[in-house]
Amino acid sequence: KQEVTQIPAALSVPEGENLVLNCSFTDSAIYNLQWFRQDPGKGLTSLLLIQSSQREQTSGRLNASLDKSSGRSTLYIAASQPGDSATYLCAVKSRRDDKIIFGKGTRLHILP
Amino acid sequence: NAGVTQTPKFRVLKTGQSMTLLCAQDMNHEYMYWYRQDPGMGLRLIHYSVGEGTTAKGEVPDGYNVSRLKKQNFLLGLESAAPSQTSVYFCASSILLEIANQPQHFGDGTRLSIL
Repeated sequence: KQEVTQIPAALSVPEGENLVLNCSFTDSAIYNLQWFRQDPGKGLTSLLLIQSSQREQTSGRLNASLDKSSGRSTLYIAASQPGDSATYLCAVKSRRDDKIIFGKGTRLHILP
Repeated sequence: NAGVTQTPKFRVLKTGQSMTLLCAQDMNHEYMYWYRQDPGMGLRLIHYSVGEGTTAKGEVPDGYNVSRLKKQNFLLGLESAAPSQTSVYFCASSILLEIANQPQHFGDGTRLSIL
């Protein structure tokens, strides 16, 4: 059974700092891994998707890496801004049964 | 392009009532998913479908039924609502082929309260 864990559960950092969010998964038989952002009371917005054959993806100040063999992914946010405050979720799509399983998320607060 | 549309956005039910949540996508996606999101629990997969006429159980399927009679629609049914089913429900869809940078698309959610 695929399990996805995100550490830390919550994080507060001063504006301008670079930060890393972590995601780990137990079964490496995946199609892809996605990082999402969710604002309070809102739906999910896809940030980055990494195919299982890829090592990283970049979009603006965001960089996501994937080490499938060790079951780990990181989301790097450069020069954090108060607008980055949100909950960040990672999700993996399993090759075994097509399920997409989510972690519980990291609640990020950027201090002005 | 509407993407993924969930109907209704809000609903209050009494225990024992039944209702159906509708998810519609206009992107010709093969895969569709229903999740529930509860505080501190993240998103949990209820049921999913890999194509028209197919359904499969997710992590928390009990108390729910689904149907995928048309490719663009995925219905989630509660036959006898219980207070434990109070949650925010999200629908998502994705393509069959794993083309790079084609993410899973989410609806805006349905807030359901069972009294």
